[in-house]
Amino acid sequence: GAGVSQTPSNKVTEKGKYVELRCDPISGHTALYWYRQSLGQGPEFLIYFQGTGAADDSGLPNDRFFAVRPEGSVSTLKIQRTERGDSAVYLCASSLGPPNSGNTIYFGEGSWLTVV
Amino acid sequence: AQSVTQLGSHVSVSEGALVLLRCNYSSSVPPYLFWYVQYPNQGLQLLLKYTSAATLVKGINGFEAEFKKSETSFHLTKPSAHMSDAAEYFCAVSDLGGNQFYFGTGTSLTVIP
Repeated sequence: GAGVSQTPSNKVTEKGKYVELRCDPISGHTALYWYRQSLGQGPEFLIYFQGTGAADDSGLPNDRFFAVRPEGSVSTLKIQRTERGDSAVYLCASSLGPPNSGNTIYFGEGSWLTVV
Repeated sequence: AQSVTQLGSHVSVSEGALVLLRCNYSSSVPPYLFWYVQYPNQGLQLLLKYTSAATLVKGINGFEAEFKKSETSFHLTKPSAHMSDAAEYFCAVSDLGGNQFYFGTGTSLTVIP
């Protein structure tokens, strides 16, 4: 597609429920990132994929968070046993190559998650 | 790990006035530097980036930024503010050894008519 696509754009869920957020990166982009943005804050790194593998998952806050990218394109961020503190905008981004080569990352419009 | 500091979480300027948004980074090795803009309820859009070519970088919408190694800064400027420039601006850094982009906490720009 022309840009990074994220679904759903908005999700309201009850505390304790399981949530999946989907990201479709720009075609041909090998690198994919998930960030989380809380109100009034900058994007906070969660995980980076190069191809199918998670090259860096150091930003995932705990084991309730997991992400996959099985075919090296679409990625799914999975959150188990959601808590109210998980409420944020989850941003997906992609780049043509790895971040340590000056590649620009392009962001989707985000998935707004509200846990009630 | 890198850190990015944006001085001033809120900046207000009059329409037509100079815009100056500050960004400092922590790396001793010149990194790659970016400015992104975020309009309400939208994703982040790239304004400009520095990747070790010219130190003065021109971006979209009349914005430019200057990389100053001695000051570890990458401040964003625009000579004349427009109402449409009102948005949140984020400075970001990536470096040779990293797997991520590090973002500042953002500066909210208000343009007063």
